[in-house]
Amino acid sequence: GENVEQHPSTLSVQEGDSAVIKCTYSDSASNYFPWYKQELGKRPQLIIDIRSNVGEKKDQRIAVTLNKTAKHFSLHITETQPEDSAVYFCAAKNSGGSYIPTFGRGTSLIVHP
Amino acid sequence: KAGVTQTPRYLIKTRGQQVTLSCSPISGHRSVSWYQQTPGQGLQFLFEYFSETQRNKGNFPGRFSGRQFSNSRSEMNVSTLELGDSALYLCASSRSLAFSSSYEQYFGPGTRLTVT
Repeated sequence: GENVEQHPSTLSVQEGDSAVIKCTYSDSASNYFPWYKQELGKRPQLIIDIRSNVGEKKDQRIAVTLNKTAKHFSLHITETQPEDSAVYFCAAKNSGGSYIPTFGRGTSLIVHP
Repeated sequence: KAGVTQTPRYLIKTRGQQVTLSCSPISGHRSVSWYQQTPGQGLQFLFEYFSETQRNKGNFPGRFSGRQFSNSRSEMNVSTLELGDSALYLCASSRSLAFSSSYEQYFGPGTRLTVT
């Protein structure tokens, strides 16, 4: 089955810096890659997603890039703010088949004011 | 628009008992998926329902089951509870966005199950 590795497990940055979280996946059939943000004690939120026919997608301060050849995708957050502090999860799924979504173990992002 | 709701929010059960959790999706969302979240295993997919049919199932034992009703509300059941079933159970409702490659998905607040 699919295996998703996520790094780093913890990321500490100063407010205004950029943050990058990377995930690698093993199944070349995976074609849908969402990212979730989960603040402490709250429910996960889908913040951005990308399909395998696209190399990059942006939404304001967040962007996701996908390298299908290397089987990795990354979340980029620019101009970080304290409210970006949360655990971020990546996932990989074959949305056209019967495959299940597999999640990374999460990255705890801490943005220091 | 009302969000995804889950009941109950907290539950304490004893080993060997069974439990039923409920999820009401956002109006118009026909897909409901369930997840287990634990500190040790992280987020794991349990199953997904669409129009009352189970579409996908994760790697969990047969003690975990679910169903979806005609109004898209979903329930999951865990029988013969084990200590390791203690977790936060999340449901999410979703739909594909028209004219977009994107996907709309919202999670409920979760049910915190403790098995003693």
